[in-house]
Amino acid sequence: AQSVTQPDIHITVSEGASLELRCNYSYGATPYLFWYVQSPGQGLQLLLKYFSGDTLVQGIKGFEAEFKRSQSSFNLRKPSVHWSDAAEYFCAVGPTGGGNKLTFGTGTQLKVEL
Amino acid sequence: DVKVTQSSRYLVKRTGEKVFLECVQDMDHENMFWYRQDPGLGLRLIYFSYDVKMKEKGDIPEGYSVSREKKERFSLILESASTNQTSMYLCASSLRVSPLHFGNGTRLTVT
Repeated sequence: AQSVTQPDIHITVSEGASLELRCNYSYGATPYLFWYVQSPGQGLQLLLKYFSGDTLVQGIKGFEAEFKRSQSSFNLRKPSVHWSDAAEYFCAVGPTGGGNKLTFGTGTQLKVEL
Repeated sequence: DVKVTQSSRYLVKRTGEKVFLECVQDMDHENMFWYRQDPGLGLRLIYFSYDVKMKEKGDIPEGYSVSREKKERFSLILESASTNQTSMYLCASSLRVSPLHFGNGTRLTVT
């Protein structure tokens, strides 16, 4: 069975500082990987996805993530955080066979200090 | 832009009531999903559908059923609402192999 672990429940960073949110997955083959962001009272918005190819993927809002097969990780990064990035972030894994039955992590709540 | 619309943002129901949560998407997506979101538990899949009149159980289907009579509409039904079904419910849709697009959610309170 596939699973996702986001070890950090809460993270606080200062505006302008760099950010890394951790995500580890368990899956029998190379999975599809996603990062979503959820602002308060909203649904989830896709930040970026990895299906195949280049292991460093670029997303919206200046975010990027790197797929590391040897570590079963897909960490999300941003070089300089803005106050508007405060939100909850979810990592998700899905089967490469399609069907899109995604499994989500428990989320990381990001707080940005001004 | 894909639009996934959930009919209610907030809903308050009594224990034992039958509850319908409606979701409509406008992009002719084959796949539709219902998740519930609880603090500390992330999103958990309740039911999903790959086509009209098709449905498959997710990870936590107990106490729920679904209906998909038309491609654009996917309904979640709580046959007899209970307090432990108080939660945020999120609907999503997608093409066969593509990211999920989410609605804004329905926050259901069962008293």
